[in-house]
Amino acid sequence: GDSVTQMEGPVTLSEEAFLTINCTYTATGYPSLFWYVQYPGEGLQLLLKATKADDKGSNKGFEATYRKETTSFHLEKGSVQVSDSAVYFCALRTLTGGGNKLTFGTGTQLKVEL
Amino acid sequence: DTAVSQTPKYLVTQMGNDKSIKCEQNLGHDTMYWYKQDSKKFLKIMFSYNNKELIINETVPNRFSPKSPDKAHLNLHINSLELGDSAVYFCASSHLGAANEKLFFGSGTQLSVL
Repeated sequence: GDSVTQMEGPVTLSEEAFLTINCTYTATGYPSLFWYVQYPGEGLQLLLKATKADDKGSNKGFEATYRKETTSFHLEKGSVQVSDSAVYFCALRTLTGGGNKLTFGTGTQLKVEL
Repeated sequence: DTAVSQTPKYLVTQMGNDKSIKCEQNLGHDTMYWYKQDSKKFLKIMFSYNNKELIINETVPNRFSPKSPDKAHLNLHINSLELGDSAVYFCASSHLGAANEKLFFGSGTQLSVL
């Protein structure tokens, strides 16, 4: 079945540091890939997405490129801020016979300190 | 206006009780979901309804029964609550459409079973 593997957290960085959160996936067919972010006490929000190989999703300074050859969708940001502290979820979505569902990774907590 | 709203936000109850969580979306979406997030932040889909019809039903105990009176509402009823049911439950909605459709999440219901 479909699955997503993310690096374990928590990841603790100083403000303005470079961020990478690794994500790899296993899927049948051609999934769409997503990064969702969950701020404390809130539901998940879509951060960015990519729908086909070599697509780059970007939003709020975050980027991720859909790499079919390595089945990866790593999240990067050049300079993190304290306000980026949250849990980040990599996810994939494929169309199934009965509908489509989002399969999440286990989440990676990011803590950014001054 | 809140797009996906779920109530209550917190629910504390005793083992063996029956409880319900309500969810409503005002986005005009045709598909709604329930996800369970455990203490380690792992998110797993439980159910999905499209136009009031159940389309995804993961391996969930029969004590959990979703009900969709119309496509804007998806409620979750839980019978005979157990300690292991303690988690945060998220409602979400989307258009069924293509696999790149994003999900909109509610802010979660934290269920604590004592």
